Amino acid sequence: KQEVTQIPAALSVPEGENLVLNCSFTDSAIYNLQWFRQDPGKGLTSLLLIQSSQREQTSGRLNASLDKSSGRSTLYIAASQPGDSATYLCAVRFINQAGTALIFGKGTTLSVSS
Amino acid sequence: GAVVSQHPSRVICKSGTSVKIECRSLDFQATTMFWYRQFPKQSLMLMATSNEGSKATYEQGVEKDKFLINHASLTLSTLTVTSAHPEDSSFYICSVPTSGGTNEQFFGPGTRLTVL
Repeated sequence: KQEVTQIPAALSVPEGENLVLNCSFTDSAIYNLQWFRQDPGKGLTSLLLIQSSQREQTSGRLNASLDKSSGRSTLYIAASQPGDSATYLCAVRFINQAGTALIFGKGTTLSVSS
Repeated sequence: GAVVSQHPSRVICKSGTSVKIECRSLDFQATTMFWYRQFPKQSLMLMATSNEGSKATYEQGVEKDKFLINHASLTLSTLTVTSAHPEDSSFYICSVPTSGGTNEQFFGPGTRLTVL
């Protein structure tokens, strides 16, 4: 069964800290991996998309890496700000014949204090 | 990327009633749309794949007669929760996968359903 796991489930840091969120997946035969941000009661905002052939993607203070062989991805947030407080979801599109649906982790809820 | 809207954003209904949720792809013609469900403190779980012009494909454990999906056009998919019960209370969210090189998925803002 294809599963996505995120560690930690929750994280609290003071403003300005650099932090790493972890995502692991059970099947290395992935098509791509997306990191999303979800604010309470809201929909999803796509942060970064990494194709299976890529090793990392960067957008502003965010950097996502992908190691297919070990089944891991990390989201690095530099110089965290209170506005970064949200739940961060990792989602994987596994190669299959059923379509392009994503399998999500449960997320890491980040709280950045000022 | 694709811009996806959902309506309504929030609905409260009595047990036994039916609720229709619309998902619109505003700037992208989508032959496929996905419907997910998210219970509190849980992950998003795929419910079904909506296919334009054909029947939806449901994930294991999702009742097709309870969650009716109609993909009427390349820009609209609807999810109808029939005879809703309190256990159907959840956050329902749709997504549109774009074709081409990235195959990125774009999500609607979601619909919060509360069944009393």
